[in-house]
Amino acid sequence: DGGITQSPKYLFRKEGQNVTLSCEQNLNHDAMYWYRQDPGQGLRLIYYSQIVNDFQKGDIAEGYSVSREKKESFPLTVTSAQKNPTAFYLCASSRDLDQETQYFGPGTRLLVL
Amino acid sequence: SQKIEQNSEALNIQEGKTATLTCNYTNYSPAYLQWYRQDPGRGPVFLLLIRENEKEKRKERLKVTFDTTLKQSLFHITASQPADSATYLCALDDTNAGKSTFGDGTTLTVKP
Repeated sequence: DGGITQSPKYLFRKEGQNVTLSCEQNLNHDAMYWYRQDPGQGLRLIYYSQIVNDFQKGDIAEGYSVSREKKESFPLTVTSAQKNPTAFYLCASSRDLDQETQYFGPGTRLLVL
Repeated sequence: SQKIEQNSEALNIQEGKTATLTCNYTNYSPAYLQWYRQDPGRGPVFLLLIRENEKEKRKERLKVTFDTTLKQSLFHITASQPADSATYLCALDDTNAGKSTFGDGTTLTVKP
């Protein structure tokens, strides 16, 4: 059963805490992406990765960090420097950066306590 | 500055009618444009892709047009059904950045 998974579905963060969102894909895709979605708005790109051990900042990278140690995995850390982290986070993958269609995971909703 | 605009945040139509959603863009030269469907609390799902050299593409009850002169794409759902109710996002290939950029979406409600 191929696809892209995200965990957890809901995540609660305390003030000053770093939290990590998981994203895994078994589609053998090279490119992976992280987006943030606020209510009633579109997707804003946080980070993307074209290949293992390489990633690029998107439009709103401040307060976030990523790693790409394995092709299948692209975790996102929301650091304490991100002052307004409450949002819906979506991970996506595509065959490569030139391959057009992106496949999205089910999302993680991050809430601040 | 670059901008992607999708028509009104919400569109309400009666079942059986044709829904038409608009995606306008400025300061992009996309090689292709995509439409995605997003249901509440879920990730977007790819629907259709249309390239710059294509005027129209169809898939079942869906039709997309792409006018690079007007810098506009139209997305049509014919014989609409309540199950078509969702948010529809357009996405442009931002070739300068090597990635796609999404519009804010239009929420379609089809009433029985």
